[in-house]
Amino acid sequence: KAGVTQTPRYLIKTRGQQVTLSCSPISGHRSVSWYQQTPGQGLQFLFEYFSETQRNKGNFPGRFSGRQFSNSRSEMNVSTLELGDSALYLCASSLATGHTGNTIYFGEGSWLTVV
Amino acid sequence: AQRVTQPEKLLSVFKGAPVELKCNYSYSGSPELFWYVQYSRQRLQLLLRHISRESIKGFTADLNKGETSFHLKKPFAQEEDSAMYYCALLNSGGSNYKLTFGKGTLLTVNP
Repeated sequence: KAGVTQTPRYLIKTRGQQVTLSCSPISGHRSVSWYQQTPGQGLQFLFEYFSETQRNKGNFPGRFSGRQFSNSRSEMNVSTLELGDSALYLCASSLATGHTGNTIYFGEGSWLTVV
Repeated sequence: AQRVTQPEKLLSVFKGAPVELKCNYSYSGSPELFWYVQYSRQRLQLLLRHISRESIKGFTADLNKGETSFHLKKPFAQEEDSAMYYCALLNSGGSNYKLTFGKGTLLTVNP
């Protein structure tokens, strides 16, 4: 079974631009969540979607947004990029259906560098 | 608010020595805890989940609700265990469904 797939893997953007990252979850998984990983702050939760609905959002500014499609694929968008947005953005998926389905699997991430 | 604390940023041991990576949590509900590992240039991988009570790659972790701890242990460390280890707590109550991670512990196993 294919794992969580993220595209693009690497990208460089300029301050003020916007970026869209894509995630395909494991087949059958309906929950998709996004995390930001930086050396200083570690792994921080961005938001989680289940059946196209955002269920929870982390403590990030409104420049960070996301959505989920009917096939469970998800995208996240960051507008008006700042240097501090440089990070590894991780997508994760889960069945999210009780204890046995609560294991969360991660993709390889999208490395974003803002210059 | 839930919180996960990994007190050691760095841990260095010799091959064959026992290793213990500490994790403490604060959570008002019934916790679901995980250990994730990130080897160099690889994705974050699930190592253990407390519900399973299993041993993976020789690692075990026991949930101690009294001490609010979920320490990761291995009796004999191997060089291939060198990696970044993250303890994580799942909040799956109500409309929440998110992992809170500790800051991680970088384990180095020396030959």
